[in-house]
Amino acid sequence: QSALTQPASVSGSPGQSITISCTGTSSDFGDDNYVSWYQQHPDKTPKVIIFGVSNRPSGVSDRFSGSKSGNTASLTISGLQAEDEADYYCCSYTTSNIYVFGTGTKVTVL
Amino acid sequence: QERLVQSGAEVENPGASVKVSCKASGYSFTNYNMHWVRQAPGQGLEWVGRVIPRGGGTTYAQKFQGRVTMTRDTSTSTVYMELSSLRSEDTAVYYCARGDFGKLDPWGQGTLVTVSS
Repeated sequence: QSALTQPASVSGSPGQSITISCTGTSSDFGDDNYVSWYQQHPDKTPKVIIFGVSNRPSGVSDRFSGSKSGNTASLTISGLQAEDEADYYCCSYTTSNIYVFGTGTKVTVL
Repeated sequence: QERLVQSGAEVENPGASVKVSCKASGYSFTNYNMHWVRQAPGQGLEWVGRVIPRGGGTTYAQKFQGRVTMTRDTSTSTVYMELSSLRSEDTAVYYCARGDFGKLDPWGQGTLVTVSS
């Protein structure tokens, strides 16, 4: 099972919007209810920011939004802030009843 | 609140086995699956597998089949992950995380397993 494909890095200036893609095969996205995104700051534990493709847990800023089209899921961060600088991972439940993470994207705020 | 607390760091020789624990509190233990995820130094997240506390059923990533065993003790709300035939590439932080309808939340604090002779 290969990891989902994400860009290695994405950058933007404060206030801008950026989008991170997460691409796989039709088998990688077995159930849209199980597409999620995680934020990880350096030396910290991952934190869920999106689940079920586009749902935000309580307490997560509405600047984070998720979507999916075909075999690509996307995470958009609008109004980019310095605190958004972190690594981001997508995750999906596959048709083989296993989970797979994306390769990870480092977001840099210029 | 829901919380997962993992056992401490381990240093093992190549070929040995390691067993990491994850104790849950603040929620009904048998109502949620428990997942294990690892992260090698400077690398991304990798799903290892999951255990179903209610019946003990397990699902493992193919990469770890035959080397990993996940168990649970419902009397102490604790899950365990044992990885055998350790090699240097298994050096990583191992996290447990509760599966909640498509999201992994919360996460344990992580357990560093170092494989070195």
